[in-house]
Amino acid sequence: EAQVTQNPRYLITVTGKKLTVTCSQNMNHEYMSWYRQDPGLGLRQIYYSMNVEVTDKGDVPEGYKVSRKEKRNFPLILESPSPNQTSLYFCASSLGWADYNEQFFGPGTRLTVL
Amino acid sequence: QKEVEQNSGPLSVPEGAIASLNCTYSDRGSQSFFWYRQYSGKSPELIMFIYSNGDKEDGRFTAQLNKASQYVSLLIRDSQPSDSATYLCAARGTNAGKSTFGDGTTLTVKP
Repeated sequence: EAQVTQNPRYLITVTGKKLTVTCSQNMNHEYMSWYRQDPGLGLRQIYYSMNVEVTDKGDVPEGYKVSRKEKRNFPLILESPSPNQTSLYFCASSLGWADYNEQFFGPGTRLTVL
Repeated sequence: QKEVEQNSGPLSVPEGAIASLNCTYSDRGSQSFFWYRQYSGKSPELIMFIYSNGDKEDGRFTAQLNKASQYVSLLIRDSQPSDSATYLCAARGTNAGKSTFGDGTTLTVKP
């Protein structure tokens, strides 16, 4: 089944404890992206990757890191999480960046930082 | 000013009516626009995309784009209770890879 998977789905952690949220897609997509969603604020783009080893900042990259060493994986790293990073996180992928390429979203990771 | 703004909700329509969702964008270089539906607690799923001026129809859904007015809309005909969800408008701007979403409009279709 074609899909985007994220792990973990739920995470409660404490301030300053490094964590990684994994994202993997099995559709051979070139483009991948991370978003956060907060109540009433829609989706805000954190980082994106146009292809392997190519990453760039979205609108809210502060406090996050990413890497794209393989086409299928795009982990999101929080080196020192803070309570303002409590949010719902979505990973997405698309075949490319043509006007008609839709993004497929993962199921989301709900993160709570105490 | 937000880059992508959606009409404030919530929006409530009776079953069978037309629901109209609106979106404006500030980046004149935006090339393509997407409407996603998101049920509570779920991930967004694509309804339609549009990148040419005019109307695009798909079943009960019609997307309209007016680049001169920087305006995108989504019409849902014969609204059903199952259409009750939050609808997100997204624009792809001049920066390849960047995608900007509006805050969403919550639609409730009452039986």
